[in-house]
Amino acid sequence: NAGVTQTPKFQVLKTGQSMTLQCAQDMNHEYMSWYRQDPGMGLRLIHYSVGAGITDQGEVPNGYNVSRSTTEDFPLRLLSAAPSQTSVYFCASTGDRGVTGELFFGEGSRLTVL
Amino acid sequence: RKEVEQDPGPFNVPEGATVAFNCTYSNSASQSFFWYRQDCRKEPKLLMSVYSSGNEDGRFTAQLNRASQYISLLIRDSKLSDSATYLCVAPRFDTGRRALTFGSGTRLQVQP
Repeated sequence: NAGVTQTPKFQVLKTGQSMTLQCAQDMNHEYMSWYRQDPGMGLRLIHYSVGAGITDQGEVPNGYNVSRSTTEDFPLRLLSAAPSQTSVYFCASTGDRGVTGELFFGEGSRLTVL
Repeated sequence: RKEVEQDPGPFNVPEGATVAFNCTYSNSASQSFFWYRQDCRKEPKLLMSVYSSGNEDGRFTAQLNRASQYISLLIRDSKLSDSATYLCVAPRFDTGRRALTFGSGTRLQVQP
């Protein structure tokens, strides 16, 4: 059972480049989200989605775009990478739209922006 | 004030010790809380949920104190394998946003 799959696991970008982090889940979860994790700051919510066609901003959305065309996929796009976006990115999903239950995380994508 | 605050540690304890972490939260409307465990360079995984006064699962006990707005995690008979970062988690309520807020984590190192 794959669960939540993120690709790539590692990526190095130059300032100004764009890229997409992929996230797919096979649990038919309606709720999906993207977090970034930085030392000493915990996980911070970037964007989330409560179903196909519906997305909303989290607490640190600037510089990132998302879309949700299918239940399974929730890609995160970096429009013009900056060194401040160097971080570990986690995608997470849950079957509970109210988010009162367990979040299932992908293994993370480590991004370095030079 | 942060929505969820934790002592970052590290807590260094010998095997077999009992250790407790506290976590304070700012939103008094929160009804459910969680403790997640995160191993080094891995993704967070749910350890326990806390819905009312508390929850116990083997060596782990989570308690909720609504009056003082804190959650605690007690680990008895610590094992080397308990070494990890423990994240306190609460739901967000601002502007109808549906999400979980994570604390920065408390690092536990169990030593032989």
